[in-house]
Amino acid sequence: KQEVTQIPAALSVPEGENLVLNCSFTDSAIYNLQWFRQDPGKGLTSLLLIQSSQREQTSGRLNASLDKSSGRSTLYIAASQPGDSATYLCAVTTGANSKLTFGKGITLSVRP
Amino acid sequence: EAQVTQNPRYLITVTGKKLTVTCSQNMNHEYMSWYRQDPGLGLRQIYYSMNVEVTDKGDVPEGYKVSRKEKRNFPLILESPSPNQTSLYFCASSLYPGSYNSPLHFGNGTRLTVT
Repeated sequence: KQEVTQIPAALSVPEGENLVLNCSFTDSAIYNLQWFRQDPGKGLTSLLLIQSSQREQTSGRLNASLDKSSGRSTLYIAASQPGDSATYLCAVTTGANSKLTFGKGITLSVRP
Repeated sequence: EAQVTQNPRYLITVTGKKLTVTCSQNMNHEYMSWYRQDPGLGLRQIYYSMNVEVTDKGDVPEGYKVSRKEKRNFPLILESPSPNQTSLYFCASSLYPGSYNSPLHFGNGTRLTVT
């Protein structure tokens, strides 16, 4: 059974800092890995999707990397801003039924 | 605008009174899914559908029903709601999750309270 872990559960950083959010998964036979952002009480917004054959994806100040063999992904946020404060979740797609398994998320607070 | 629309956003009901939460997507997606999100438990899949008339159980299907009669709609039905179904519910869709480049799109959620 696929398990996705995100540690720590919460993180607080000062504005302008570069930061890395970690995600690990137990079954490396994935189709893809997605990073999502969730604002309080809102739905999830897809930030980046990394295909299993890719090593990284970039969008603006965000860069996600994937090391499938070691079961790890990182989301790098450059020059963090208070508007980046949210919960960040990763999810992997595995199995014959293309099941998505989510981590519990990392709640990020960027202090002005 | 491409989107997943859920209704209602908020719902308060009493134990045993049947309810339906609607979900509709306008992106011609094959795959649709329902999740519930609870503090400390994260997102858990309730049911999913790979295509019209094809539905299957997720991790926590007990107490829920779904149907997929049309590609765009995937309603979630609670025949006899109970307080342990109080939660934040999300509908999501994608072109096809096994596709290598098929992100999942979420609705804005339905906050259900069962008293």
